[in-house]
Parts: sequence; structure tokens; C-alpha cells
Amino acid sequence: SAVISQKPSRDICQRGTSLTIQCQVDSQVTMMFWYRQQPGQSLTLIATANQGSEATYESGFVIDKFPISRPNLTFSTLTVSNMSPEDSSIYLCSVGTAPSGANVLTFGAGSRLTVL
Amino acid sequence: AQKITQTQPGMFVQEKEAVTLDCTYDTSDQSYGLFWYKQPSSGEMIFLIYQGSYDEQNATEGRYSLNFQKARKSANLVISASQLGDSAMYFCATNAGNNRKLIWGLGTSLAVNP
Repeated sequence: SAVISQKPSRDICQRGTSLTIQCQVDSQVTMMFWYRQQPGQSLTLIATANQGSEATYESGFVIDKFPISRPNLTFSTLTVSNMSPEDSSIYLCSVGTAPSGANVLTFGAGSRLTVL
Repeated sequence: AQKITQTQPGMFVQEKEAVTLDCTYDTSDQSYGLFWYKQPSSGEMIFLIYQGSYDEQNATEGRYSLNFQKARKSANLVISASQLGDSAMYFCATNAGNNRKLIWGLGTSLAVNP
């Protein structure tokens, strides 16, 4: 399966600032997915990052708040803009692989953000 | 709408014993997959096991097995011979639905006692 490097692994940020999370995959993938996991909660899909086109955002997430770049087939960034304490979460990038026909997601180690 | 229910917020098991983590799902789809992931305190999500709805045999991966009961719409994870390193959150998910995106349960926190 793909190996995903994600950074930063954690950060403490001030309210009103922005932070960019990087995700590097060791192989070319068509789609990359960005998830948010708020404290004590399950995963919520933010958007799907497609190479060569704009990201597809899920309901409740907008490009102004979570701009995404996908410059090539192995790299993507997610920016959390104008942060507030409610943005304190783990942010995870993932890619799909298809062993036995199943679309299994492989995840990066996550970026744990704390907003003060 | 598709839904995953994990009714056990927390579970305890003694080291070397087996434990079952419950997962029920709700879908009208005929074709779907069921997934289990492990999330240690470090935060990464680790894929454990997959079961396809048409698979007649229960999936197994080492110490992990999936007790798939289609009529009951349940996909319980069984961990045999628990180890201290199994202490983590465990999430059940399905890709049922038109868009095939993963729908996640709220997770079960497992603590393995020495």
C-alpha cells in the first residue's frame, strides 16, 4: 500500500492565523482525500483533491476556509484559514488503494492542531 | 441513508483474551464493503480488515477476524489473543451509498489490561 508522509504532525496556533498541512505520497494517485476528526469524534470528509482541477468539497466545508492545492499526482496541501478554537482537530490525508477490488483508504499519520 | 452504529463507547479486555467489538450498519444497497480501522493515541488511522457484502467467508487477517452476519446487518470485529498494543480506538465504516464514500461509526475505545 501507499506510504503517506504528512506534516506538521502537530502544531499550536493562534486564533486568526492560517496553517498549511502537507501530504506527500510515495506513488502517483488520482484522488487524495482530506478528513477532519474533532476531539472525541469520528472522521468527517472535508474534500477530495483532484490533480488538475479544483477540489470537491463536502457539505459544510468551503474553499475559502479550507483551500486545497494539488499540483501533481503525489502531493497535496490543505490550509486551515483564519483559525478559531473550533478548528482544533486532527486533520488526515488519505489515498485509496484497491486490493481485492475494495477501495481501502491509507492514511497519513495526521496533523493534530490546537488553536488557542 | 447509510449509517454505522457502534454501541460500545469503551471496552476492557485482559491481555491474551479475545474481544469482540460490535458494529451494525444500515443500508439498502446490495453491494457494499465493511471496513475496520484502528487509531492509536498517536492519531494515525490503520486499516485492519475488509469484508465485501458478497463474500461468503468471514474475512480474517492474522489476529483479526470479521464476524459478518448479513441478515442482522452486523460486522463485528474479533481480536484474538489481545496484546497491550491493541489498546486504541477502533472504527467501523462502510462504503455503501451512491457516492461510495466511507461512512464512519463513532468508534470504540479498547483498553487491554496486563
